[in-house]
Amino acid sequence: GAGVSQSPSNKVTEKGKDVELRCDPISGHTALYWYRQSLGQGLEFLIYFQGNSAPDKSGLPSDRFSAERTGGSVSTLTIQRTQQEDSAVYLCASSLAGTGGMGTGELFFGEGSRLTVL
Amino acid sequence: GEDVEQSLFLSVREGDSSVINCTYTDSSSTYLYWYKQEPGAGLQLLTYIFSNMDMKQDQRLTVLLNKKDKHLSLRIADTQTGDSAIYFCAHDTAGGTSYGKLTFGQGTILTVHP
Repeated sequence: GAGVSQSPSNKVTEKGKDVELRCDPISGHTALYWYRQSLGQGLEFLIYFQGNSAPDKSGLPSDRFSAERTGGSVSTLTIQRTQQEDSAVYLCASSLAGTGGMGTGELFFGEGSRLTVL
Repeated sequence: GEDVEQSLFLSVREGDSSVINCTYTDSSSTYLYWYKQEPGAGLQLLTYIFSNMDMKQDQRLTVLLNKKDKHLSLRIADTQTGDSAIYFCAHDTAGGTSYGKLTFGQGTILTVHP
C-alpha cells in the first residue's frame, strides 16, 4: 500500500500473555520508529531503526519490550508478559531520514495498534 | 535534555485565531514540526520550519520560532470546526547533517466551538 500499515488495529489480551504488533513501512523508507500513546501521556518514543545501524532502544520501558526489523522493512514490536499499564495505542512511523538534505525528515504514521490488557 | 512542553488544552470560537505554544530544551535541532492528529487516526505532518528561520507562513498557518528562548508557536487563522484535533510539536535531535529521532510534546487538544 501507499502508507504505513499496522496490524492488528485492535488487540485485547490477558495480563501475562505475549503480544506481537506488526508494522509495514512505506517502501524505500530507511527509518522506522515505534511510539506509544497513552491517554494524557502524549507520544512516548520507544525505539528507532535507521538503515543498517544499531537501533536506538533508549525508549523501551522494560526488558519485556523488544523490537526487530527484518530485511530493513517490516518491523515487529513484541511485549512479553503484558501488564495492564501496557495498554495504549502503539504507533509506527517511517521516514526517508538520512544525512545532508534528504527532504525534511517528515514522519509518516500508521493508524496504530490499540492494545488493551485485561 | 530533550523535553518538549505544550499546554494540554485550547478552546476557541469558529473564526477566531488559535495560537498553540511549545517550548523545548534541545538547541541542536535541524527541523521543528507541527503534527496534527484527528480522532482515531495517526499523526500527519501539518507544517515544519527549518531551524535557521524565524517565521514560516503557509495559507492559514503561521509558525514562529524563537531560538533564543527555544519557543515555537503555531497560529491558525480563521479557525474552523474541522481544525479540532490534537496538535503535536516535535523536533529532531541529531542536528547537523542527520535527522535522528523526533521528540514530541504531549499534544494540545484544540476544540473549536461553532
